[in-house]
Amino acid sequence: GDSVTQMEGPVTLSEEAFLTINCTYTATGYPSLFWYVQYPGEGLQLLLKATKADDKGSNKGFEATYRKETTSFHLEKGSVQVSDSAVYFCALSQRGGADGLTFGKGTHLIIQP
Amino acid sequence: DGGITQSPKYLFRKEGQNVTLSCEQNLNHDAMYWYRQDPGQGLRLIYYSQIVNDFQKGDIAEGYSVSREKKESFPLTVTSAQKNPTAFYLCASSDADGDVYNEQFFGPGTRLTVL
Repeated sequence: GDSVTQMEGPVTLSEEAFLTINCTYTATGYPSLFWYVQYPGEGLQLLLKATKADDKGSNKGFEATYRKETTSFHLEKGSVQVSDSAVYFCALSQRGGADGLTFGKGTHLIIQP
Repeated sequence: DGGITQSPKYLFRKEGQNVTLSCEQNLNHDAMYWYRQDPGQGLRLIYYSQIVNDFQKGDIAEGYSVSREKKESFPLTVTSAQKNPTAFYLCASSDADGDVYNEQFFGPGTRLTVL
């Protein structure tokens, strides 16, 4: 079946550092890919998405590019802030998303001032 | 404001009791989903529904039941058959453009603790 693998956390960075959170997937066909963010005690918010190979999703300074050849969708941000501290989930959907999302285990990001 | 509401935010139950978690959306979305989140785990799909009066089992449906009598409502019942029900439960919805379902929107979650 489909699966998503994310780098283990927690990831601790200083404010203004460069961020990369790795995400790779195993899936047949051409899934859509997503990054969601979860703040403590809350539900998930969509951060960005890409629906086909070489698409780049971007939002709030975060970016990720859908790389079919490496089956990856790494999340990057050039300069992180304390307010970026949260848990980040990589996810994929098949069949246009009708059957729900397959999630990675999440990466806890901690930004220190 | 459109969105998804889940109630209650915290729920405590004794072992052996059934409990129903509420999920309501006013986004006019066709599809609704229930996920379970455990510490250090990703989200796992319990049940989903693409239209009223129809639903499908997800990856971990055992010990759970759902209904979809109205488009805006998708309640989840955690039965006494669920061996480890303590978890954070998240409801989501999405709309469709033909056969393609767009990104999912999530509710704030219900934290269930079974004592």
